[in-house]
Amino acid sequence: NAGVTQTPKFQVLKTGQSMTLQCAQDMNHEYMSWYRQDPGMGLRLIHYSVGAGITDQGEVPNGYNVSRSTTEDFPLRLLSAAPSQTSVYFCASSYSSGGIGGTEAFFGQGTRLTVV
Amino acid sequence: AQSVAQPEDQVNVAEGNPLTVKCTYSVSGNPYLFWYVQYPNRGLQFLLKYITGDNLVKGSYGFEAEFNKSQTSFHLKKPSALVSDSALYFCAVRDIAGDYGQNFVFGPGTRLSVLP
Repeated sequence: NAGVTQTPKFQVLKTGQSMTLQCAQDMNHEYMSWYRQDPGMGLRLIHYSVGAGITDQGEVPNGYNVSRSTTEDFPLRLLSAAPSQTSVYFCASSYSSGGIGGTEAFFGQGTRLTVV
Repeated sequence: AQSVAQPEDQVNVAEGNPLTVKCTYSVSGNPYLFWYVQYPNRGLQFLLKYITGDNLVKGSYGFEAEFNKSQTSFHLKKPSALVSDSALYFCAVRDIAGDYGQNFVFGPGTRLSVLP
């Protein structure tokens, strides 16, 4: 059971380039999310999805795009990379909380992105 | 909006001593609280959660957390620290009534260093 798999682990981009961070989960989770981690700021939500075909913006969505064509995959696209997007990116998945909130999230290993 | 505070950026403790990592929260409804640990260059790993019931919650690796509703706190504890516990710890609340589809709100993190 692989859990949540992210690729690549490391990436260096030039300003203005675009790229896609891949995320796949094999636990049949409805919820998937992308976070960015910056020092002293915890994890901030970029985009999330509550099921295939449904996505929505999180706290810091600008400059990022997502799609959810299957339950398993939730790629994150950087449209035109900027130095401010230098960060560590985490994908997470969980079962629907069902309004109770008791299900924990499972995280990928992260992608360390540097934009120069 | 929900929020999570971790008042200490860094906690240092000697191996064998008890440790406490503090967390306070602000929620509008029932709190669904989680602790995660992040080892260097790894994703976040789930430690424990409070949903309902006993205020003392036991989790992985000998950790426990005490839920205190009157103080809106959810402090992480361990009776005897190990050097291998050194890591970054995140407190989180699942935001059932928030703006982002029942996603998690994370604190800024506390770096725990256990000294041999």
